[in-house]
Amino acid sequence: SSELTQDPAVSVALGQTVRITCQGDSLRNYYASWYQQKPGQAPVLVIYGKNNRPSGIADRFSGSSSGDTASLTITGAQAEDEADYYCDSWDSSGSHLVFGGGTNLTVL
Amino acid sequence: EVQLVQSGAEVKKPGESLKISCKGSGYSFTNYWIGWVRQMPGKGLEWMGIIYPGDSETRYSPSFQGQVTISADKSISTAYLQWSSLKASDTAMYYCARRESTTATTFFGYWGQGTLVTVSS
Repeated sequence: SSELTQDPAVSVALGQTVRITCQGDSLRNYYASWYQQKPGQAPVLVIYGKNNRPSGIADRFSGSSSGDTASLTITGAQAEDEADYYCDSWDSSGSHLVFGGGTNLTVL
Repeated sequence: EVQLVQSGAEVKKPGESLKISCKGSGYSFTNYWIGWVRQMPGKGLEWMGIIYPGDSETRYSPSFQGQVTISADKSISTAYLQWSSLKASDTAMYYCARRESTTATTFFGYWGQGTLVTVSS
């Protein structure tokens, strides 16, 4: 079982806004990072820290955090955003990393 | 350009040993943690462990402690993941990734292409 909990699946209409959440006690003390994984490909970092995007990541991706929940928001979802999204952070002990179970995003 | 290049796919039998590799280039290999991540078929990402090649400090996920060994050879900028006795349940894609650090957080900024390990009799 994961110490970071994500909804298994979320859907969004093309061009609309979607929020993907990651919940865990450790997120009160540590930022989550977010990764996008498309079928047959390695994960790609999309958001890290408070709300930072690596170079090359579209500005429709943003991050936020409140209490024990981190969120990844896609504003104006595109067909190419259809993928699995994973959060990661440190566990409650601060000694080990942990991934959320992943959220499969469908763009309708 | 930072690159992590992993060794090729492997097909092994239960009970056999295996060592897969992850070669870093385009940066100072000794200054960044390298993590290993498992992805079983159709499943999510699982953190296995992480090594700091500068001094070989290693941390394992409790789920993988004693099941695998993570090591690094800084002279050739390569990290390794090894098994002494494979099981069918080790069949998975394995990724290495470089852990970045800022003043506020850490994250996996660069990923290898993955190594598919298939264990079957």
